[in-house]
Amino acid sequence: GENVEQHPSTLSVQEGDSAVIKCTYSDSASNYFPWYKQELGKRPQLIIDIRSNVGEKKDQRIAVTLNKTAKHFSLHITETQPEDSAVYFCAAIENTGGFKTIFGAGTRLFVKA
Amino acid sequence: ETGVTQTPRHLVMGMTNKKSLKCEQHLGHNAMYWYKQSAKKPLELMFVYNFKEQTENNSVPSRFSPECPNSSHLFLHLHTLQPEDSALYLCASSQDFGVGAGELFFGEGSRLTVL
Repeated sequence: GENVEQHPSTLSVQEGDSAVIKCTYSDSASNYFPWYKQELGKRPQLIIDIRSNVGEKKDQRIAVTLNKTAKHFSLHITETQPEDSAVYFCAAIENTGGFKTIFGAGTRLFVKA
Repeated sequence: ETGVTQTPRHLVMGMTNKKSLKCEQHLGHNAMYWYKQSAKKPLELMFVYNFKEQTENNSVPSRFSPECPNSSHLFLHLHTLQPEDSALYLCASSQDFGVGAGELFFGEGSRLTVL
């Protein structure tokens, strides 16, 4: 089945700097890659997603890139703000024997003011 | 009420107790899920229901028993749990199940502590 690895587990940046979180997946049949943000004590919420027919997607300060050949995808946050501090989870939809969202272990992002 | 609601938000139980977690979604979605969230581990998929039918049991021990009476309600019945079952249990829903499932909408979670 699908396995998603996420790095780093913790990331600390200065306000205004960029943050990059990287994930790799194992199942070449996976075709949908969402990113969720979970603030402290809150529910995970989708912030951006990408399907395998595109290589990059951008939404204001957030962008995601996908390299299908290498089976990795990344989240880029520019001009970070304190409210970006949260745990970010990448995920892949496992496409064999059923459709399951498989998550990475999460990255705790701290943005220092 | 918006989205996905879970009750109780916090639960403390002994290993011999029987309790249930409840999830309700107000989004008209057809698929519902239980995930387990433990510290520093990936969200672990436990059960999937599509149109009230269980489509996935991700090798979950029988001390966890799901129930889905209709597309809007999902329960997780707990019995004879172990301390290592202490975690945040998240319910989620999606419009459909399958390649077009798209976004998962999560509840706030039920924080379970097993003594």
